[in-house]
Amino acid sequence: AQSVSQHNHHVILSEAASLELGCNYSYGGTVNLFWYVQYPGQHLQLLLKYFSGDPLVKGIKGFEAEFIKSKFSFNLRKPSVQWSDTAEYFCAVENTGFQKLVFGTGTRLLVSP
Amino acid sequence: DVKVTQSSRYLVKRTGEKVFLECVQDMDHENMFWYRQDPGLGLRLIYFSYDVKMKEKGDIPEGYSVSREKKERFSLILESASTNQTSMYLCASLDRIQETQYFGPGTRLLVL
Repeated sequence: AQSVSQHNHHVILSEAASLELGCNYSYGGTVNLFWYVQYPGQHLQLLLKYFSGDPLVKGIKGFEAEFIKSKFSFNLRKPSVQWSDTAEYFCAVENTGFQKLVFGTGTRLLVSP
Repeated sequence: DVKVTQSSRYLVKRTGEKVFLECVQDMDHENMFWYRQDPGLGLRLIYFSYDVKMKEKGDIPEGYSVSREKKERFSLILESASTNQTSMYLCASLDRIQETQYFGPGTRLLVL
């Protein structure tokens, strides 16, 4: 069965620092990959997604992620974080065609001003 | 914009009570999902439905059931609530064209 690992459970950064959150999945077939974000008190919303093509995908609010098939990874990056990026970030994987998402355990990011 | 709504943001129930959580989407989506979200565990799939009256068990269906009588509405039922069902419950609806799930605001359930 598919599983998703997010190794960083809590990350604390200062504003303007660079961010990279790790995400690895287990199943090696064709997958669709997602990053969702949950800001404090708000609902889960899509940050970015990858289905095929250019492995570097850009999402909202300056976030990007890179799919590295050989490493089963889909790490999320942002060159310079802001206080408003404080949130919980979830990586999710769908085995293509199954329409079910498997989520990682999430990473809580705190950005100090 | 896809809109997924959940009937309650906060709910307090007693052990043994029957609990209904309602979810409604307004985009005519066929696939709908119920998850629970717990700290350190992420989101775990309870049940999903791919059409009216159709349902499939997710990863943690024990203690739950669902109902899908109309396309826009997907209900999660806790037949006899227990304290270990205290959690945040999230409903989602799948846009098959975008291949993306859209989430409701969640219901935070406390079982005493």
